Amino acid sequence: DADVTQTPRNRITKTGKRIMLECSQTKGHDRMYWYRQDPGLGLRLIYYSFDVKDINKGEISDGYSVSRQAQAKFSLSLESAIPNQTALYFCATQGGMGYEQYFGPGTRLTVT
Amino acid sequence: DQQVKQNSPSLSVQEGRISILNCDYTNSMFDYFLWYKKYPAEGPTFLISISSIKDKNEDGRFTVFLNKSAKHLSLHIVPSQPGDSAVYFCAASAASNYQLIWGAGTKLIIKP
Repeated sequence: DADVTQTPRNRITKTGKRIMLECSQTKGHDRMYWYRQDPGLGLRLIYYSFDVKDINKGEISDGYSVSRQAQAKFSLSLESAIPNQTALYFCATQGGMGYEQYFGPGTRLTVT
Repeated sequence: DQQVKQNSPSLSVQEGRISILNCDYTNSMFDYFLWYKKYPAEGPTFLISISSIKDKNEDGRFTVFLNKSAKHLSLHIVPSQPGDSAVYFCAASAASNYQLIWGAGTKLIIKP
């Protein structure tokens, strides 16, 4: 089984709708991240959490919110989706003293 | 302002030859560097890393070189194989936190 899972894998939604992307991990890592990937822009950080009680904004947090329900679960919400939030979204985990991040398979989100 | 730059969007290399992927950075506080590989429809996977106290790290066919004075690192793949065709991301971190700053990626195409 995958260590980092994301649901859904693909989603098409309409402008103005609220949508939640979920991430779960079995690696036992404390640190979790949400990124979006756009062509030619690499990975940009949306939010990150160093433990259940610690949530921090990343580079591009406007229009997004997160919830860290447990050590293993970190959800990303788009309160009112807009077309320029169409992108590939990745969740990642990181643990201990290591810098390596471990990624989920991604969610392809399309906002029409 | 991009702190980590991968100036080549794509690179085509003959199978069996050496692939060299380049990455430049601007932040002198970065002290740990990582390379990730990404296939379509999958999340990025960690490939190799290097600390700023070293100038070379090798793992099988993959070697990363770091030139701190030039703020430049490179990934060498020898010999290149068809399965190496993927997008490669360079990432960097400063000791003050665990966040990774990502380059835009280079698409490597290995020709038979």
